[in-house]
Amino acid sequence: QVQLQESGPGLVKPSETLSLTCTVSGGSISSYYWSWIRQPPGKGLEWIGYIYYSGSTNYNPSLKSRVTISVDTSKNQFSLKLSSVTAADTAVYYCARMDLGYYDSSGSTGGMDVWGQGTTVTVSS
Amino acid sequence: DIVMTQTPLSSPVTLGQPASISCRSSQSLVHSDGNTYLSWLQQRPGQPPRLLIYKISNRFSGVPDRFSGSGAGTDFTLKISRVEAEDVGVYYCMQATQFPLTFGGGTKVEIK
Repeated sequence: QVQLQESGPGLVKPSETLSLTCTVSGGSISSYYWSWIRQPPGKGLEWIGYIYYSGSTNYNPSLKSRVTISVDTSKNQFSLKLSSVTAADTAVYYCARMDLGYYDSSGSTGGMDVWGQGTTVTVSS
Repeated sequence: DIVMTQTPLSSPVTLGQPASISCRSSQSLVHSDGNTYLSWLQQRPGQPPRLLIYKISNRFSGVPDRFSGSGAGTDFTLKISRVEAEDVGVYYCMQATQFPLTFGGGTKVEIK
């Protein structure tokens, strides 16, 4: 079955850029939407954005000015870059597959049906 | 943004007894394609979230039938018919009808 694995530095300095990669195994990155979600310590979930395998993106307006999500279909990976980080960006970062299919009669779930284990990123000098 | 409000914040439950979680959205979650993209996720301690229910009432693959979802428009409910020890965790509702996608604040289910 499809599995996701996040990777990247666990410590980032304030004002620098956080960079994470999600590797998709057991299936193709094609035909799905791929999201990043984060969870600050002891808090709830925040959607950061998604990328479609074709490269189209959609970002949360609250982070849009600082976020870039990209995809490398040849490596079955997608990546997150978050610039100008502060302590408020300290969180567990998850990647997830989204089965979105508006107007599609094939029966998509509209949900995030596969999740990575998450990676903790701390912003500190 | 659509605000998702969950109640209660915490739900202490006796093993074998039912539990119910409410989720209310600040606007209708009916999409122009006729579907309502409201899902429920479970996050066990130390684990990533897991999809339980999608489009209000559809159980995802492998989810026990003691979990059920209901509701319409702006009001939704997740019910656990008989709570088991493995159900301990935080439950989130999530809407994918309108961007940005948003989550409820979470409801913690714990054993009394």
